[in-house]
Amino acid sequence: KAGVTQTPRYLIKTRGQQVTLSCSPISGHRSVSWYQQTPGQGLQFLFEYFSETQRNKGNFPGRFSGRQFSNSRSEMNVSTLELGDSALYLCASSPGVGGGSEQYFGPGTRLTVT
Amino acid sequence: DQQVKQNSPSLSVQEGRISILNCDYTNSMFDYFLWYKKYPAEGPTFLISISSIKDKNEDGRFTVFLNKSAKHLSLHIVPSQPGDSAVYFCAANAGGTSYGKLTFGQGTILTVHP
Repeated sequence: KAGVTQTPRYLIKTRGQQVTLSCSPISGHRSVSWYQQTPGQGLQFLFEYFSETQRNKGNFPGRFSGRQFSNSRSEMNVSTLELGDSALYLCASSPGVGGGSEQYFGPGTRLTVT
Repeated sequence: DQQVKQNSPSLSVQEGRISILNCDYTNSMFDYFLWYKKYPAEGPTFLISISSIKDKNEDGRFTVFLNKSAKHLSLHIVPSQPGDSAVYFCAANAGGTSYGKLTFGQGTILTVHP
């Protein structure tokens, strides 16, 4: 099976702009979770989508949003970018039900805000 | 409030010896624990997991131990190999409706010397 893919891999944006990141999960996986990794805060959970519905949400401002499509692909959007949004954004997929909570991560999108 | 803590930022071991990485948690609702390995510029790779109903799980060179009363888990790698050099993260999940949300520790950098 193909792994989790994320596009784009690298992105440079200016403060105040908005950005959309994309994630394609492993085939058959219905849950997609998003995480932000920064040197100071580590890996922090943003939100999780399951069957096109947001099932869990982390402690991030409303500028961070996401959605999931019927084919389980997911996008996250960050509006009014701030310098502090510079980070590695990771998405992870899992079956979404049953078994353990193992999540499989994509390579990430490195966002730089200038 | 850091619910999952890895108190050792780094660990250095000789090839062939045992590597022991430790993790503590504070949230009693966590019932599933995972270890991930991460190389620079890549997403985390799932290594091994353990449910709270067990106290040990083995997979090849990797063994995870869980001490629920102490809220402590550890990852043992035997024998350690230079290719194991990476950042190791422990993560926890509260199950149920929090299925898709992992809470991560800050990571431990493991260096295995030839």
